[in-house]
Amino acid sequence: AQKVTQAQTEISVVEKEDVTLDCVYETRDTTYYLFWYKQPPSGELVFLIRRNSFDEQNEISGRYSWNFQKSTSSFNFTITASQVVDSAVYFCALSNYGQNFVFGPGTRLSVLP
Amino acid sequence: KAGVTQTPRYLIKTRGQQVTLSCSPISGHRSVSWYQQTPGQGLQFLFEYFSETQRNKGNFPGRFSGRQFSNSRSEMNVSTLELGDSALYLCASSLASGVNTGELFFGEGSRLTVL
Repeated sequence: AQKVTQAQTEISVVEKEDVTLDCVYETRDTTYYLFWYKQPPSGELVFLIRRNSFDEQNEISGRYSWNFQKSTSSFNFTITASQVVDSAVYFCALSNYGQNFVFGPGTRLSVLP
Repeated sequence: KAGVTQTPRYLIKTRGQQVTLSCSPISGHRSVSWYQQTPGQGLQFLFEYFSETQRNKGNFPGRFSGRQFSNSRSEMNVSTLELGDSALYLCASSLASGVNTGELFFGEGSRLTVL
């Protein structure tokens, strides 16, 4: 069975601090996709990144970076120099080809000015 | 380009009633998927439609159903509403079958309250 765990329920940081959101997944398949989505207070989820199981390269996009480690089944997300606009709920998700989409429980990030 | 539009945004129903929610995907997107979000269960996949055919289905009872029209617009229906159906229902669209690729574009959701 597929499962996504985000152990951090809520995180509060002060603006300009770096913050890492943890994601651990479980799957028996060798081919799968991992994602991060952001849900701001308005409600709609915003796609941030997709990574397939064969691509363990870390990725950086502006202040965002992702660390994918198959050995530990983790796909962590770091925000550098956080800003108030980063305040949202962040979801890690897993999709196996042809199967359902499984979301983690989410981490609520509050960035205080 | 217009985003995903969900209607209605808010609605209140009573137990036993049924409800129909509508989703208009981004123009050109052929896949529409539905999700239920509750504080207790989090985000759960309901089903996905692609070119008017249900492609995948989550673990929900038969009271939850959906359909997709030739213009890719989709509706989901919940019959015999229960208190536990109170949730934010999110619709997402994508060009290809979204469950596989994950590049989903979400609407703002329809918040259903069952009394």
